[in-house]
Amino acid sequence: AQSVTQPDIHITVSEGASLELRCNYSYGATPYLFWYVQSPGQGLQLLLKYFSGDTLVQGIKGFEAEFKRSQSSFNLRKPSVHWSDAAEYFCAVAPPSRYSTLTFGKGTMLLVSP
Amino acid sequence: NAGVTQTPKFQVLKTGQSMTLQCAQDMNHEYMSWYRQDPGMGLRLIHYSVGAGITDQGEVPNGYNVSRSTTEDFPLRLLSAAPSQTSVYFCASRGQINYGYTFGSGTRLTVV
Repeated sequence: AQSVTQPDIHITVSEGASLELRCNYSYGATPYLFWYVQSPGQGLQLLLKYFSGDTLVQGIKGFEAEFKRSQSSFNLRKPSVHWSDAAEYFCAVAPPSRYSTLTFGKGTMLLVSP
Repeated sequence: NAGVTQTPKFQVLKTGQSMTLQCAQDMNHEYMSWYRQDPGMGLRLIHYSVGAGITDQGEVPNGYNVSRSTTEDFPLRLLSAAPSQTSVYFCASRGQINYGYTFGSGTRLTVV
């Protein structure tokens, strides 16, 4: 079975600074990979996804993620964080098959300081 | 399009009561899932469906029932509520090709 590790429970970043959120997965082959964001009291919104091809994926809100097969990682990055980016971020994986479902990491809470 | 609609948004139950959390999607999505979210645990899959009439168990199915009589609706039933089922419940759906699940806004359930 697949699993996802997000090593950082909380991260604090100054507004305007760069951001990197870490995600490592465990799966025998290359899974489908996702990042979701959840604002307080809200549902989850898809930021970006990787299925195959170019390992640098662009998403919404200025986010990008890089898939590194050798490290089983799919880290999320943003060059300059805005106060509105404060939220919880979830990495998720799914086996590359038609009927697979998502397995989520436990999330990283991003705090943005002025 | 409304996307994925969950009702109610909030609910308080007494231990032993039963209830149904409603989930409806208007995107003609084949796949639907129910997750529960608990602090520090991320989202865990309860049940899922790959089409009308087809359901299967996820990681934490005990105490919950589902059915899928139509493509649009995927209700989650709590048979006899327990305090351990206090959680936020999310319904999600996706199409056959586009793998990005669309999530509802959630139901916050408290069992006392």
